Amino acid sequence: GDKVKQSPSALSLQEGTNSALRCNFSIAATTVQWFLQNPRGSLMNLFYLVPGTKENGRLKSAFDSKESYSTLHIRDAQLEDSGTYFCAAENNNNAPRFGAGTKLSVKP
Amino acid sequence: DPKIIQKPKYLVAVTGSEKILICEQYLGHNAMYWYRQSAKKPLEFMFSYSYQKLMDNQTASSRFQPQSSKKNHLDLQITALKPDDSATYFCASSQGWGSAETLYFGSGTRLTVL
Repeated sequence: GDKVKQSPSALSLQEGTNSALRCNFSIAATTVQWFLQNPRGSLMNLFYLVPGTKENGRLKSAFDSKESYSTLHIRDAQLEDSGTYFCAAENNNNAPRFGAGTKLSVKP
Repeated sequence: DPKIIQKPKYLVAVTGSEKILICEQYLGHNAMYWYRQSAKKPLEFMFSYSYQKLMDNQTASSRFQPQSSKKNHLDLQITALKPDDSATYFCASSQGWGSAETLYFGSGTRLTVL
């Protein structure tokens, strides 16, 4: 089964609104990374997390290893935030495994 | 300037043929990876190498063979190509292997097998 489950699978936001994406892990994740794949297909790293939180501009991410989940909060969504967001989890010295992604559309 | 170079950007192959996907990174990283993305399985992990040694492998088929001639090169040889192999293949790298290492991705090679 899926080791990394992302929700929702798709999301439509009005510009200026807020939202939260989530990843649940069925593995004992030790680190989590969040990526944005833009409509052209390029993958950009947003956050690298050990248990705890990080913030960068309008984005904030949290990773709770005990409860096996991570969240990505988007504040004041902008058109350029559109794309597919992926989370990836590492455990036991294995390479990061990815979830299926959340496709985000921000509309004016 | 892209720091992880994948060549070619697009590749069309016939069923049964063999192709090599090229990846070079100029970030000074010690670990390199291959991932595959298709409509069926988004960002599926394939292989990871650290200092040119295989560290992790999730690809069942022996038709997929990574080749590392230098620390900053990790090519992917695919033999006996099938239409199901059609996907975008992403190369990635990180400073080291294991926890606390951010992944950086190349722009991908889109492979179409006819």
